[in-house]
Amino acid sequence: RKEVEQDPGPFNVPEGATVAFNCTYSNSASQSFFWYRQDCRKEPKLLMSVYSSGNEDGRFTAQLNRASQYISLLIRDSKLSDSATYLCVVNPRGGGSGGYQKVTFGTGTKLQVIP
Amino acid sequence: DAGVTQSPTHLIKTRGQQVTLRCSPKSGHDTVSWYQQALGQGPQFIFQYYEEEERQRGNFPDRFSGHQFPNYSSELNVNALLLGDSALYLCASSSYWGRSDYGYTFGSGTRLTVV
Repeated sequence: RKEVEQDPGPFNVPEGATVAFNCTYSNSASQSFFWYRQDCRKEPKLLMSVYSSGNEDGRFTAQLNRASQYISLLIRDSKLSDSATYLCVVNPRGGGSGGYQKVTFGTGTKLQVIP
Repeated sequence: DAGVTQSPTHLIKTRGQQVTLRCSPKSGHDTVSWYQQALGQGPQFIFQYYEEEERQRGNFPDRFSGHQFPNYSSELNVNALLLGDSALYLCASSSYWGRSDYGYTFGSGTRLTVV
């Protein structure tokens, strides 16, 4: 089983639609979680960190379910500019422990927003 | 505020050759991680450097080696290049004692083509 698994997509959705991505991870010791966005042939950029309580940033909502070991990303009112690959990232390191351990990326989910 | 700088941006090498890629981390960061991203895949962890030492390593052969300098910049060396080494090589910088939910800052990458 892969350490981090994502549906590769592509997800083709019309503008204004709501789309959700899920990601599962195998290491129950994982402590920190992120969603990164990667545009074609560009570097990944941090979209948001994911917290147990769930967090929202504008049209984006991320949630973490530790019991089931999955992370989700919800995008509301999709824009053409949201078209990208969304990478799920987990890190075994917890806050305050110092140092970054092996941060693991999923293969990414491709989103295409259609006019 | 300088972000992560990688050089060169593109490189073409022949099988069997050796290559050196360079990375300068973001100002204030002291840890450098290297990732290999093949087309259509998520970034794969190669290794991480802190205090001029390799701290963690992914599943990459010894042909991949690195170095970190006192100014925190880093090099990735790949010997005896194979066609399969063709990929985007990403450098990610972070702060060793920083909060674990800050994530990484990536450079724009070096696209290596082995022919």
